[in-house]
Amino acid sequence: DQQVKQNSPSLSVQEGRISILNCDYTNSMFDYFLWYKKYPAEGPTFLISISSIKDKNEDGRFTVFLNKSAKHLSLHIVPSQPGDSAVYFCAARGTGANNLFFGTGTRLTVIP
Amino acid sequence: DTGVSQDPRHKITKRGQNVTFRCDPISEHNRLYWYRQTLGQGPEFLTYFQNEAQLEKSRLLSDRFSAERPKGSFSTLEIQRTEQGDSAMYLCASSLQNNYGYTFGSGTRLTVV
Repeated sequence: DQQVKQNSPSLSVQEGRISILNCDYTNSMFDYFLWYKKYPAEGPTFLISISSIKDKNEDGRFTVFLNKSAKHLSLHIVPSQPGDSAVYFCAARGTGANNLFFGTGTRLTVIP
Repeated sequence: DTGVSQDPRHKITKRGQNVTFRCDPISEHNRLYWYRQTLGQGPEFLTYFQNEAQLEKSRLLSDRFSAERPKGSFSTLEIQRTEQGDSAMYLCASSLQNNYGYTFGSGTRLTVV
């Protein structure tokens, strides 16, 4: 039962353009959402997060949008850079829980 | 601080053998987590510690798995009587309490042959 879904296994974007990575979830009890980036042979690295009381959080080139009614969040990267090429995981935490549920990841390739 | 360290990076073992992995978290982090990642999947929660207390275990953690965190510092994850289905990347992460932006280690890749 996949509670966090990333339906696009891969995405290719030209350098300088916007990358939009999408994530859907099914559990309405999720109250905190995170994005992680993973390079080969490394563990995931925390990128940005958003609480369910907000609908947008921005950190430099990275912005996360949350649409609670649609149970959907997205990560926008602008402008995209070749160093952004990695696998991006969406994750969610249930209210009062101590663990995260991860999606299956989207591999982003930024083409120079 | 060099981040979260995991040892070994790779482990190949024969089915039925026992294996033990070690994780050294960031020193000031009181929470430590173990996750497992199989090919094409995201990390799946196994267990977590707050200081030395193991507070939660996933149903993925069968009775062949045991984890410890003596003295609230490093942690070990032991798998007894390994099976081919145990082949995965085992990830350790640590955080401060109520901070869910975990810091992950690079993982231990287990291959059971």
